[in-house]
Amino acid sequence: EADIYQTPRYLVIGTGKKITLECSQTMGHDKMYWYQQDPGMELHLIHYSYGVNSTEKGDLSSESTVSRIRTEHFPLTLESARPSHTSQYLCASTQGNDYGYTFGSGTRLTVV
Amino acid sequence: AQSVTQLDSQVPVFEEAPVELRCNYSSSVSVYLFWYVQYPNQGLQLLLKYLSGSTLVKGINGFEAEFNKSQTSFHLRKPSVHISDTAEYFCAVSDRWGAQKLVFGQGTRLTINP
Repeated sequence: EADIYQTPRYLVIGTGKKITLECSQTMGHDKMYWYQQDPGMELHLIHYSYGVNSTEKGDLSSESTVSRIRTEHFPLTLESARPSHTSQYLCASTQGNDYGYTFGSGTRLTVV
Repeated sequence: AQSVTQLDSQVPVFEEAPVELRCNYSSSVSVYLFWYVQYPNQGLQLLLKYLSGSTLVKGINGFEAEFNKSQTSFHLRKPSVHISDTAEYFCAVSDRWGAQKLVFGQGTRLTINP
């Protein structure tokens, strides 16, 4: 039973389109993260947030942007999608010093 | 900077056989260590974590891992695997303070053969 929800699960979109990947969690976690995962490869952190109105870029450079206006919501936006953005995007959250990340099921994005 | 190396990209084993998935990390500071499992078309699920205390950590689904500070390793083991253990396994490391960002290894695909 997931407490962190990502929509859509799958998305095929044309080059140049603007897209927003949604991530919401119902656990009241303060920290949230976006990871990018290419097929058969490791996960790379692209954005994270300590809390409301706090966002930071991760270790992997990304053309996407994020916002954190509400504790439970951490959407990721691509202003102009390109084929190089084709990947799986995973959202996660954790609280305090728990270190138990909860992951969403991911959004598999294909840009054609 | 932290890094994690999973020494095997693929590990095929027969059902009911034991398995060990190897993980080495590199960090200049004290860290926390994790193993996650990813089933096809799903997100990641926490198997176990080492924060402090006993170096042998037991997790879900019969898995355990041993933290070895001198060898900077955190190998995952299971004495008898099942078909349902077929999945991708990721080792990860995090600093003890700050943003709690996880750095992941490349993953090991565990395939269980009947």
